Amino acid sequence: TQLLEQSPQFLSIQEGENLTVYCNSSSVFSSLQWYRQEPGEGPVLLVTVVTGGEVKKLKRLTFQFGDARKDSSLHITAAQPGDTGLYLCAGDRGANNLFFGTGTRLTVIP
Amino acid sequence: GAVVSQHPSRVICKSGTSVKIECRSLDFQATTMFWYRQFPKKSLMLMATSNEGSKATYEQGVEKDKFLINHASLTLSTLTVTSAHPEDSSFYICSARAATSGGAVQYFGPGTRLTVT
Repeated sequence: TQLLEQSPQFLSIQEGENLTVYCNSSSVFSSLQWYRQEPGEGPVLLVTVVTGGEVKKLKRLTFQFGDARKDSSLHITAAQPGDTGLYLCAGDRGANNLFFGTGTRLTVIP
Repeated sequence: GAVVSQHPSRVICKSGTSVKIECRSLDFQATTMFWYRQFPKKSLMLMATSNEGSKATYEQGVEKDKFLINHASLTLSTLTVTSAHPEDSSFYICSARAATSGGAVQYFGPGTRLTVT
């Protein structure tokens, strides 16, 4: 069974702090995607990483794909209340068939 | 980006009745759509892959006779929850796969919250 474990499961921080969310698996994925989901809405794609060791930046968000393509991290610099949400990683099992991680619920306190 | 809609956004039904949820890709054609289920404060669980013109592929543990999927056109897939029970109450999300210059991408609908009383 493929399992994508995210840590931490819950995170509550003050505005302006930095944070890192981890996504780990024992399986290799052809690509990995990160999503952010607001309550009552569908997930919104943030980034796709494909190459082992790849680093992508999206404003204050930095995404890294592990060298072995089994794990990934999301680092947020100077968190803002607007960053609050459920962050989901998802591994591509092939043919764009996604397997979602366990999720990290982030709350940024003003 | 591409837009995927779901209808209805919320539905309340009585136990024993059936409910149909529609998923539409509004500005692109999708040969493949996916149906997910999400419990409160939990991640998404893939229920089935819906292929236009053929039978859906269900994940292990998902009852195909209970969750009927029809992908009748390149822009529409439907999920029918038959003989609904309170334990079927959940947030159901669909996604549609689109081909882009960067490879295939899934675009998600806004979800449908089903409450079975």
